Amino acid sequence: DTAVSQTPKYLVTQMGNDKSIKCEQNLGHDTMYWYKQDSKKFLKIMFSYNNKELIINETVPNRFSPKSPDKAHLNLHINSLELGDSAVYFCASSHETGVNSPLHFGNGTRLTVT
Amino acid sequence: AQSVTQLDSQVPVFEEAPVELRCNYSSSVSVYLFWYVQYPNQGLQLLLKYLSGSTLVKGINGFEAEFNKSQTSFHLRKPSVHISDTAEYFCAVGGGATNKLIFGTGTLLAVQP
Repeated sequence: DTAVSQTPKYLVTQMGNDKSIKCEQNLGHDTMYWYKQDSKKFLKIMFSYNNKELIINETVPNRFSPKSPDKAHLNLHINSLELGDSAVYFCASSHETGVNSPLHFGNGTRLTVT
Repeated sequence: AQSVTQLDSQVPVFEEAPVELRCNYSSSVSVYLFWYVQYPNQGLQLLLKYLSGSTLVKGINGFEAEFNKSQTSFHLRKPSVHISDTAEYFCAVGGGATNKLIFGTGTLLAVQP
């Protein structure tokens, strides 16, 4: 049973397209996140949601729009894709909102924009 | 602002040798510290965490880390590594005024036979 699952695993698309990445967790956690890992492995938070409410919104271009239909799902929609969006995107969840609550990560979605 | 420094981008080591992966942080307040491991083409997994209490923390797969407040360090150690320990290791810090976890740039542990 996969705890945090995200689809697709790989996504190759052209500049200017719109794409979505889906994430689901079956851990019963209240908080979910999107992280971006660049080509140098640097990991940075993009968004976090607690029980469908947005609580962290980093300085991310507004082409990125997260949506949480319920607390078990957090999807990421990206408009007008750019070359610089190429990265691995990780969904994660935690039991609580506080930073002392460990994160559980999905296996990532490798986005390649050509 | 909090920050995390992992000085070694890559640590090569022979199988069954001991290893230490270094992590230093900067923070003016009490912190929570974590080590995560990322195997190839996978997400990060929690290795161990320091929230409070004993400064020596034991984690999964035989790893341990020691919180040293005076040196603002949280180095990860294993007395004898296996080939299967080859992975990227990330140190992370959180706490204080920020509600975000800050990750280091990672250290690739490359275990050679």
